[in-house]
Amino acid sequence: GQQVMQIPQYQHVQEGEDFTTYCNSSTTLSNIQWYKQRPGGHPVFLIQLVKSGEVKKQKRLTFQFGEAKKNSSLHITATQTTDVGTYFCAVYNFNKFYFGSGTKLNVKP
Amino acid sequence: DGGITQSPKYLFRKEGQNVTLSCEQNLNHDAMYWYRQDPGQGLRLIYYSQIVNDFQKGDIAEGYSVSREKKESFPLTVTSAQKNPTAFYLCASSSTSGGADTQYFGPGTRLTVL
Repeated sequence: GQQVMQIPQYQHVQEGEDFTTYCNSSTTLSNIQWYKQRPGGHPVFLIQLVKSGEVKKQKRLTFQFGEAKKNSSLHITATQTTDVGTYFCAVYNFNKFYFGSGTKLNVKP
Repeated sequence: DGGITQSPKYLFRKEGQNVTLSCEQNLNHDAMYWYRQDPGQGLRLIYYSQIVNDFQKGDIAEGYSVSREKKESFPLTVTSAQKNPTAFYLCASSSTSGGADTQYFGPGTRLTVL
């Protein structure tokens, strides 16, 4: 089945610092999605990327899909305490979603 | 109010008992999924269903069973054959059976085996 590797596993930042999580695949991806899970909560869809080199922004969040469609990144500018949670990438293939292991973000005020 | 509901929120089970976790959606979605999440871990797919009366095994189906008799409902039974069932169980649905669409998750059920 499809595998996506996500790094880093954990990231601790001071409020106001930037944060980036990466998702990598050995095969070309047709799409990639990003989800956020707050502590104790359930994953919530953030965005989907489908085009090579695509960049999408949501306020302080920037999502990128690699030119070769084998990797993706989520960058948060000037983190806030509300950004705390685990960020997952996911790929849809063969009628299933394959999730990365997630990056847990902790923001110190 | 549209969305996915899961019940119960917390469930305690004695060893050797079967338990059924409920998942209902009123989003008119064709596809539904069950995931298991262990502390600090990602999501692992247990079962999924693209249409009514049809479902497929995911990566960790052993010890679990499902049914899809109605479009809105996709209950998961954790059987006594599941050796380590304590986990957070998440149900999700998506609107497009044959393509990549947004997954909407329910609030989850935390199962603890006593």
